[in-house]
Amino acid sequence: AQSVTQLGSHVSVSEGALVLLRCNYSSSVPPYLFWYVQYPNQGLQLLLKYTSAATLVKGINGFEAEFKKSETSFHLTKPSAHMSDAAEYFCAVSGASSYKLIFGSGTRLLVRP
Amino acid sequence: DGGITQSPKYLFRKEGQNVTLSCEQNLNHDAMYWYRQDPGQGLRLIYYSQIVNDFQKGDIAEGYSVSREKKESFPLTVTSAQKNPTAFYLCASSTGQGNEQFFGPGTRLTVL
Repeated sequence: AQSVTQLGSHVSVSEGALVLLRCNYSSSVPPYLFWYVQYPNQGLQLLLKYTSAATLVKGINGFEAEFKKSETSFHLTKPSAHMSDAAEYFCAVSGASSYKLIFGSGTRLLVRP
Repeated sequence: DGGITQSPKYLFRKEGQNVTLSCEQNLNHDAMYWYRQDPGQGLRLIYYSQIVNDFQKGDIAEGYSVSREKKESFPLTVTSAQKNPTAFYLCASSTGQGNEQFFGPGTRLTVL
């Protein structure tokens, strides 16, 4: 079975500060991991994905995530927050032979001026 | 441009009526999905289809039905049996196992 836990339903940072959104997963098979972003009343957009290659994955808009097997984590970071980063972020897990994505409950990022 | 389209963007329905949400993709993807999103919650899978003329129930299939007669189309019908249908509905597609899903812009359904 697979599951995803996103710690913190809301995260607030100042513009220019580090963004850290936490994701822990549980998987009985080697996981494939994804981060998506959703702006209000829109669909989800893929930020980045991990599929068993490099453990540090770089995505769009300056985001990156590091796969840590020992900690079963896949936290999303960005060195300097921008106002346009304010959105909801979802972590998801899958497996190489699975059609399904299992989503976390999401973290809403607020960016203060 | 390749992508996924969903129509309509907003939909209003009276209680007791069935309503069909459209989802079309021109990405040539084999797999398609329907999710429901409620405020403060993640995405819950309603139905998915791995290939034309085949589909499987997701976690919350009761009160919904789908068809997959064409590769590019995966309509979702919300039936009167769905007790609380007001939600944001998202359609997605992917090339297959283990791959990322691409999402449409969503349809917001409100039951009056």
